[in-house]
Amino acid sequence: ETGVTQSPTHLIKTRGQQVTLRCSSQSGHNTVSWYQQALGQGPQFIFQYYREEENGRGNFPPRFSGLQFPNYSSELNVNALELDDSALYLCASSLGPVSLTNYGYTFGSGTRLTVV
Amino acid sequence: GESVGLHLPTLSVQEGDNSIINCAYSNSASDYFIWYKQESGKGPQFIIDIRSNMDKRQGQRVTVLLNKTVKHLSLQIAATQPGDSAVYFCAEGLQGAQKLVFGQGTRLTINP
Repeated sequence: ETGVTQSPTHLIKTRGQQVTLRCSSQSGHNTVSWYQQALGQGPQFIFQYYREEENGRGNFPPRFSGLQFPNYSSELNVNALELDDSALYLCASSLGPVSLTNYGYTFGSGTRLTVV
Repeated sequence: GESVGLHLPTLSVQEGDNSIINCAYSNSASDYFIWYKQESGKGPQFIIDIRSNMDKRQGQRVTVLLNKTVKHLSLQIAATQPGDSAVYFCAEGLQGAQKLVFGQGTRLTINP
């Protein structure tokens, strides 16, 4: 059984650029949730994908968008990067949307994004 | 704003002692609570959870206590070991919602 894998592990981008982060869910998991974790803070919910559709969104602007593919892997896209977007981006997979499960998240190790 | 807060941002204990990490949550409607451990360079790792219809739950060396009257959650770690050094987060969830709301975290340091 493989866990959640995220790529890349580290990334440096310039303000105004666009970035795509990737996540492969744990085997058997069909739901992916994305979180942003600023330095010294707890993770903040960005959105969740279930059955290839967005299934809940946190307080993030539209320039944060995502995709889920038929194999349940997912991408997080951020346009027009701002300095405050610098953070650890965490992907968590689960079996079913959390409203139906015991929040059985498995987190990946994250992508460290630095915007300069 | 919505948040789950923590009383102590750092906690230092002697190896072998018991640790208690506290958390105050904000949403009285939350019905599910989780403690996570996050080591440097890793994602959060599930430790233990508790539903709102319980006030105590025990795992291996860990116990979670829930006091809904004062919206307080605590994590007790027995006989702390060097491997327990990490940042600990509490998180709250609500049936029907897709997200977990995390607190800021407490850094636990184990002294030899």
